[in-house]
Amino acid sequence: DAGITQSPRHKVTETGTPVTLRCHQTENHRYMYWYRQDPGHGLRLIHYSYGVKDTDKGEVSDGYSVSRSKTEDFLLTLESATSSQTSVYFCAISESESRNYGYTFGSGTRLTVV
Amino acid sequence: AQSVAQPEDQVNVAEGNPLTVKCTYSVSGNPYLFWYVQYPNRGLQFLLKYITGDNLVKGSYGFEAEFNKSQTSFHLKKPSALVSDSALYFCAVRDSGNNRLAFGKGNQVVVIP
Repeated sequence: DAGITQSPRHKVTETGTPVTLRCHQTENHRYMYWYRQDPGHGLRLIHYSYGVKDTDKGEVSDGYSVSRSKTEDFLLTLESATSSQTSVYFCAISESESRNYGYTFGSGTRLTVV
Repeated sequence: AQSVAQPEDQVNVAEGNPLTVKCTYSVSGNPYLFWYVQYPNRGLQFLLKYITGDNLVKGSYGFEAEFNKSQTSFHLKKPSALVSDSALYFCAVRDSGNNRLAFGKGNQVVVIP
């Protein structure tokens, strides 16, 4: 997981509170992604970014927003946390979206909404 | 849209026996396929990829994968499983439409000592 860090690693929050998760990279990669991982669903894309201030929605974006003001940071915000957002959240980076490139993943943030 | 399917939720194998984790894909055009592994409480780690060329791709930790175009499969294999191979394995394909990786649901591999 060198070059990409997520914070916090664990968080417990109450329903209705806002929560921000941070992804920080030192690789200077253009592309960044937020996924959530849930049993039986694998990885589902929440939002992604293709450059500073350039973001777009993934398949499960409702209730989430993102911001990318610097190349190295990609923030995921849960506007008003709900129990259905209890999950493990992964950030990923990619140097290119050329088809022979894969992703590098962070270690994840385990979020519990009570 | 491109997709991958991992038909088995869990694979149990005895230590020392061959390990196979199945993946089938659906793409338009040429497939670009990847395998990732996730150890407990860790992020996904890249194992190997198929872009073009030899149908047998070798990757990290002694894993290999066989690309079979006629069966639209990309099965992950290891000749002799180790207990330390117990993990969650994900197959992924590059979507030619949006160029993003589409992941399967994952396979839990349990290697029994």
